[in-house]
Amino acid sequence: NAGVTQTPKFQVLKTGQSMTLQCAQDMNHEYMSWYRQDPGMGLRLIHYSVGAGITDQGEVPNGYNVSRSTTEDFPLRLLSAAPSQTSVYFCASSHRGLEQFFGPGTRLTVL
Amino acid sequence: QQPVQSPQAVILREGEDAVINCSSSKALYSVHWYRQKHGEAPVFLMILLKGGEQKGHDKISASFNEKKQQSSLYLTASQLSYSGTYFCGTDYAGGTSYGKLTFGQGTILTVHP
Repeated sequence: NAGVTQTPKFQVLKTGQSMTLQCAQDMNHEYMSWYRQDPGMGLRLIHYSVGAGITDQGEVPNGYNVSRSTTEDFPLRLLSAAPSQTSVYFCASSHRGLEQFFGPGTRLTVL
Repeated sequence: QQPVQSPQAVILREGEDAVINCSSSKALYSVHWYRQKHGEAPVFLMILLKGGEQKGHDKISASFNEKKQQSSLYLTASQLSYSGTYFCGTDYAGGTSYGKLTFGQGTILTVHP
């Protein structure tokens, strides 16, 4: 099993550009989440999903969109990148919200 | 509301013990503990559910005080591999946990030889 995979590992964007961070898991987990991690801030929940077709907002959803068409994939879209979105982004999956398995992260810089 | 972790940082020598606390102002359903090493993803340590018992494996254990809405992580006879940042994640959903976690700011643990 590959577990949770994320692409790309690193990304540099210019202000105003859009992009999609990819996340996939092969553990047949129903629950998937996106977090961002900033220095000294811990992990903050952006969006999460409890199954295909079902998504909900987390603590810091502004500027991000998600959709979940399959159990395996949960992409995160940045609509118009801003410097405040410079961060490390982690995707996680779990069975019924229990032990969360995190992907390796995407390090995003917005100039 | 973000749970509050204490202390913010702790420095140990190998073999010493440490306690990390996680407090919430809201009623908790579950508390998750994760460890993150520099440049890596967080790794699950354990979960404590409301009404559950104290958990532990090897020399790391945790407790959940429902009345105080507080959890404590106990690391005994620390090893160099214990170094990292420890996060608690709290779940306020009742009934079934949705994994909609709110994380504390982290506690940096450093173990020296």
